[in-house]
Amino acid sequence: DAGVIQSPRHEVTEMGQEVTLRCKPISGHNSLFWYRQTMMRGLELLIYFNNNVPIDDSGMPEDRFSAKMPNASFSTLKIQPSEPRDSAVYFCASSRQGSSANEKLFFGSGTQLSVL
Amino acid sequence: QKEVEQNSGPLSVPEGAIASLNCTYSDRGSQSFFWYRQYSGKSPELIMSIYSNGDKEDGRFTAQLNKASQYVSLLIRDSQPSDSATYLCASSGGGADGLTFGKGTHLIIQP
Repeated sequence: DAGVIQSPRHEVTEMGQEVTLRCKPISGHNSLFWYRQTMMRGLELLIYFNNNVPIDDSGMPEDRFSAKMPNASFSTLKIQPSEPRDSAVYFCASSRQGSSANEKLFFGSGTQLSVL
Repeated sequence: QKEVEQNSGPLSVPEGAIASLNCTYSDRGSQSFFWYRQYSGKSPELIMSIYSNGDKEDGRFTAQLNKASQYVSLLIRDSQPSDSATYLCASSGGGADGLTFGKGTHLIIQP
């Protein structure tokens, strides 16, 4: 399996621009997570989906952030408009969720976002 | 709010010694606990999971869980320079819940 695939690996943009991050989860995994990592705050859960349905978006910092999962093999995280404080590494992760304890997360390589 | 606390380090350990990493969590409802290793510039990778009180061993790694004290630890025996990384502790309430991560402990193994 190719693992969780994220694109782009690096994104440099100017303040006010729209940014779209993409993720392809591992085939057969039914849960998808978006995390943001900074030195100050560590890894923060932004939103997660189960069977393509958003379950908890309480970690999304502001209305400028939105996420979609139109099908089981694709998800996007959009920031519009972007601000310098959005600069971080954004990770997508997927897992196969069952009815028992949480299954392990597999992370993508991340997108390094720099907003100038 | 669910929190996972770790000492940020750096924790410096001589090669061949035992490295001991610790974490505490605030949510008593947490059921699952994980240790991830993250090399600089890379993504986190799972190295251990533990669900019950006590010890769980996997090769050079031992995870320990004490739910009464809300405490999780990771021991790395015979530490190698390749073990130098940031170690992230994470907890989950189970089911389809997301993981709550600590900020990580930076471990340095000195040759």
